[in-house]
Parts: sequence; structure tokens; C-alpha cells
Amino acid sequence: EAGVTQFPSHSVIEKGQTVTLRCDPISGHDNLYWYRRVMGKEIKFLLHFVKESKQDESGMPNNRFLAERTGGTYSTLKVQPAELEDSGVYFCASSQARGLAYGYTFGSGTRLTVV
Amino acid sequence: AQSVTQLGSHVSVSEGALVLLRCNYSSSVPPYLFWYVQYPNQGLQLLLKYTSAATLVKGINGFEAEFKKSETSFHLTKPSAHMRDAAEYFCATGGAGGTSYGKLTFGQGTILTVHP
Repeated sequence: EAGVTQFPSHSVIEKGQTVTLRCDPISGHDNLYWYRRVMGKEIKFLLHFVKESKQDESGMPNNRFLAERTGGTYSTLKVQPAELEDSGVYFCASSQARGLAYGYTFGSGTRLTVV
Repeated sequence: AQSVTQLGSHVSVSEGALVLLRCNYSSSVPPYLFWYVQYPNQGLQLLLKYTSAATLVKGINGFEAEFKKSETSFHLTKPSAHMRDAAEYFCATGGAGGTSYGKLTFGQGTILTVHP
């Protein structure tokens, strides 16, 4: 079974540019999550999709961030325009069932650097 | 609101020594608790999880953790450290329902260094 795939693995962009991160969950996993770790801070929840619907987007920092999951398969997270404080590692995770008892699988992350 | 505190951002041990990484949680309901590990240039890997069954949880790579409700702790241990255990370790908690359903709250992470 293929794991959760994220790309790019690294991205360096200039302040004010747009970047789109992609996450391909494990096939058949309806639940997809985005997390972020800003330098020196803890990993923080951004949002949760169930299929194509946003179940919880309480962690999205501001309206420069837009997440989509068209068709309930892969997801994209767009940052537009990027700011310096957006630098960090963005993780995606997926799970087959709702609820943490089942656990979920993380991808390797995308390291975003805004200069 | 749920929170997790990992005591010690850096822990250093000698190869063969006991590994003890501390985690305390704050939760208004019985939590689910997890330990994840991130090896250099890799993603987060689940080491073990507590989901209200046995209080002593065994995970991969010889790690285990004990849920102690009276101390609100979920410390991670390994009897004998190996060089390959060098990584960053994250304690995390999540609720069984409500608005935090499915959401993990992470601690700050502890970097484990293993010396020869």
C-alpha cells in the first residue's frame, strides 16, 4: 500500500509569490488532515477534510491559505501571497475512519521557505 | 482545551542507557495519547498509541509508554538506547469527540541524541 505522498518536498519562494502544496492520501482514505510546523514551534492542526468537505478548518491561520480537495481524492493547499512567517514544514495525513482510535498516517512533509 | 507539555526539548543519552522522554497532558475528557517519531529527513511515524485499553502500551522499536491518569502523564521509555533512536519525538493527544474530533494536539517535541 502506498503511503501518503506530498510534493514538492521542498519549496523556496519569494515573499508575495504563490505556492501550492499537494497531498495524495492513501487510496480509500476519506479523512485528510493538514498540519504545519513553524520553526521552533509545535506542530499545529490546520484543517480536516472528510471526502471533499471541510469538516474542521479552525486552524487555518488567515485567508491567504486555501485548501481544496476536489473529488475527495488528493488535496492542495495554496498560500497566496506568501509571507515570511509562512515558512515551515507542512504535513498531510490521512485515515480511513473518523476518530483518533484508528490513528492516521502522515506524509513526509513539504518544507516551505519564504525569502 | 487540550494541551501537551513535553519536558525537555533536548535529551542526550549514551548508547545502551535508559531512554525517558516525558509528556504531560491536559484534557477534560479521557484522552487518546500518541507518541510519534521523526527521523532526519523523514515524515512522522507512529510509535505507539493509548486508546483507553491497557495503560502500558508497547510500540515499535522497543519503545513503551505508560498512561498514568493520576499524574496526567504518558512518558515514553526504552530500556536500552541505540544509535538509530536518534530522532525527534512528539507526544500528542486528541479527543474522542466534540469539536476536536480527529484533531491532534502536539507537544513541542524532544530531540533525542544518542552518544556512542
